Amino acid sequence: DAGVIQSPRHEVTEMGQEVTLRCKPISGHDYLFWYRQTMMRGLELLIYFNNNVPIDDSGMPEDRFSAKMPNASFSTLKIQPSEPRDSAVYFCASSLRGAEGRNEQFFGPGTRLTVL
Amino acid sequence: SQKIEQNSEALNIQEGKTATLTCNYTNYSPAYLQWYRQDPGRGPVFLLLIRENEKEKRKERLKVTFDTTLKQSLFHITASQPADSATYLCALGGSKLTFGTGTRLQVTL
Repeated sequence: DAGVIQSPRHEVTEMGQEVTLRCKPISGHDYLFWYRQTMMRGLELLIYFNNNVPIDDSGMPEDRFSAKMPNASFSTLKIQPSEPRDSAVYFCASSLRGAEGRNEQFFGPGTRLTVL
Repeated sequence: SQKIEQNSEALNIQEGKTATLTCNYTNYSPAYLQWYRQDPGRGPVFLLLIRENEKEKRKERLKVTFDTTLKQSLFHITASQPADSATYLCALGGSKLTFGTGTRLQVTL
């Protein structure tokens, strides 16, 4: 398997523009997570899905952020409008629910977003 | 609120020595604790998972301990090598993980 695939790897945009980040999880995994990583705040969970259904979006910073998972092999994270403080590395991760509910997560390479 | 603390200062050790990293948590009763490694420009990679009823877990040169009374986990790398240089993150939870901010380990010759 190719692992978790994210695109684009780098995105530079201007404030106010819409940004869409894409993720393809590992085939067969039933959980998908979106994280944001910055030096100041570390790795923060934004939202996660189970079987394509959003379970917890309490980490989504505000209404400018939205995420969808139309099928088991694709998810998007959209920021509209983008702001300079959204600049960060965004990771997608997937996992397969194991015995006793424990899940090791497999991370993608991340998308480095810069909002000017 | 839940809080996970890892030493924010980098840990510098000499090749061949044992590196010990600490993860402390408060306001949390996790069933599982996980350790991940992150290299610059890459996503975290899972290393080890330990359950609350396990005191210790080993994998090759890695050892993790989990003390639910002290609310602390220790992560050891024995016979460290320069290739072990990376940032190490602890994470608590089950399906949903909360990550610490990580400790950067630098192993020198």
